[in-house]
Amino acid sequence: DTAVSQTPKYLVTQMGNDKSIKCEQNLGHDTMYWYKQDSKKFLKIMFSYNNKELIINETVPNRFSPKSPDKAHLNLHINSLELGDSAVYFCASSQGTGGEQYFGPGTRLTVT
Amino acid sequence: DQQVKQNSPSLSVQEGRISILNCDYTNSMFDYFLWYKKYPAEGPTFLISISSIKDKNEDGRFTVFLNKSAKHLSLHIVPSQPGDSAVYFCAASVLEGSGTYKYIFGTGTRLKVLA
Repeated sequence: DTAVSQTPKYLVTQMGNDKSIKCEQNLGHDTMYWYKQDSKKFLKIMFSYNNKELIINETVPNRFSPKSPDKAHLNLHINSLELGDSAVYFCASSQGTGGEQYFGPGTRLTVT
Repeated sequence: DQQVKQNSPSLSVQEGRISILNCDYTNSMFDYFLWYKKYPAEGPTFLISISSIKDKNEDGRFTVFLNKSAKHLSLHIVPSQPGDSAVYFCAASVLEGSGTYKYIFGTGTRLKVLA
C-alpha cells in the first residue's frame, strides 16, 4: 500500500520530446512537492503545491509545468527536453508546509 | 551557494560501533532540521528531526545534536547495524516571506556498516 507513488519509474527519451511524470499520494496530505536530484546528488526543490495552489516555484525553466488536479495528485510536464534535464525526479508530500515530507521512489529521466 | 553541507561523502563503520554523520549550515534563519535515510532506487525516508529550540533529540538508536552557535548538527547511530547502510541526507527548513516553509537538503553521506 504505497504512500507516495510515481509513474513511470524510468523514462528514456530523446531531446526535444515532451514528457510527463505523475505523482499520487494516499496519505491525505495537503502539500505536495517536486524535487530534482542531479548528477552531483543535490536534492533541490522545484515546486510546491498546498491545497492545489502553487506556493513554491524555484528558478526552474518554464519548460517545466506542474499541475495539481486535486490534493492527492501532482504531475510534472516537461516540454522540449534537454540533455541537462537528465536527473532523478522525486515527488513528496506533507501535511502543511513544515514537518517531515514523505517521498516517492523517484523517476529516473534520461534524455539522449 | 550550498546552504547545507555534508562534507563527508562517505563513512564506513564496524557493526556495533557508533556512526556519526555531520552537517553544517550557513543560514541562521533555519529553525527546523531533519535527517532522511535513502536506500538505492527508493525515495528518502524521514528518520529524525530537531527544532532550533532544542540541542538534542533521541529516538531509539538515533540521536540528533544541534549546536546553533557552530551552525552544526550531527546524527549519532548507536549501535550501528548493517541495515543502517544507506545514504543519509541532512535538511534544514526556513520560513519564507510567503508564510511557507522551504527545505534545503545537503548532498548526503553514504554510510556503510561493516559486518
